[in-house]
Amino acid sequence: SAVISQKPSRDICQRGTSLTIQCQVDSQVTMMFWYRQQPGQSLTLIATANQGSEATYESGFVIDKFPISRPNLTFSTLTVSNMSPEDSSIYLCSASDHRDGQETQYFGPGTRLLVL
Amino acid sequence: AQKITQTQPGMFVQEKEAVTLDCTYDTSDQSYGLFWYKQPSSGEMIFLIYQGSYDEQNATEGRYSLNFQKARKSANLVISASQLGDSAMYFCAMREEYSSASKIIFGSGTRLSIRP
Repeated sequence: SAVISQKPSRDICQRGTSLTIQCQVDSQVTMMFWYRQQPGQSLTLIATANQGSEATYESGFVIDKFPISRPNLTFSTLTVSNMSPEDSSIYLCSASDHRDGQETQYFGPGTRLLVL
Repeated sequence: AQKITQTQPGMFVQEKEAVTLDCTYDTSDQSYGLFWYKQPSSGEMIFLIYQGSYDEQNATEGRYSLNFQKARKSANLVISASQLGDSAMYFCAMREEYSSASKIIFGSGTRLSIRP
């Protein structure tokens, strides 16, 4: 299975600042995704990170607020811009893997963000 | 639009008993995949089991099995011989099409607590 790491694991930020979260996969994967999990809630997909092209955003999420990069098949970044307390969440990177005829999707350990 | 429903917000089960976590889904696609994830208090998302819509047999992974009833659009997770370490949030998820390009949508989750 793919191993996914994220940096930072947690951060406390001031309102109005921006934070960039890095996601590294230990093998080349076709698709990478970014999710948000607000306290006590389920996971919500922010966007699909496309290699070599602009990310595909879900309804309610925009590029100006959550710019995403994916320069290659193993790495992606998510920036949370102009943060407010409502952005306090866990942000999770995910990658799809198709091996031995089985579809799986793995998640990184998450980045816990608190905005003051 | 796809939709995942988990009707049990919380469950308490005695250790060593079997437990069934309910999941129903709604999709107009004929080809889709169903996932179950475990999220302990540490926050990591642990992939448990996957079932493809065209798989004729129910998926099994150790103590986990997926009771897939396609006509009823249900994909319940069965955990046999529950252990204290099984206490966690459990999320059912679905991805339309046998393609990593499609996004995974999550249910609201069930919090499982195992009593000693």
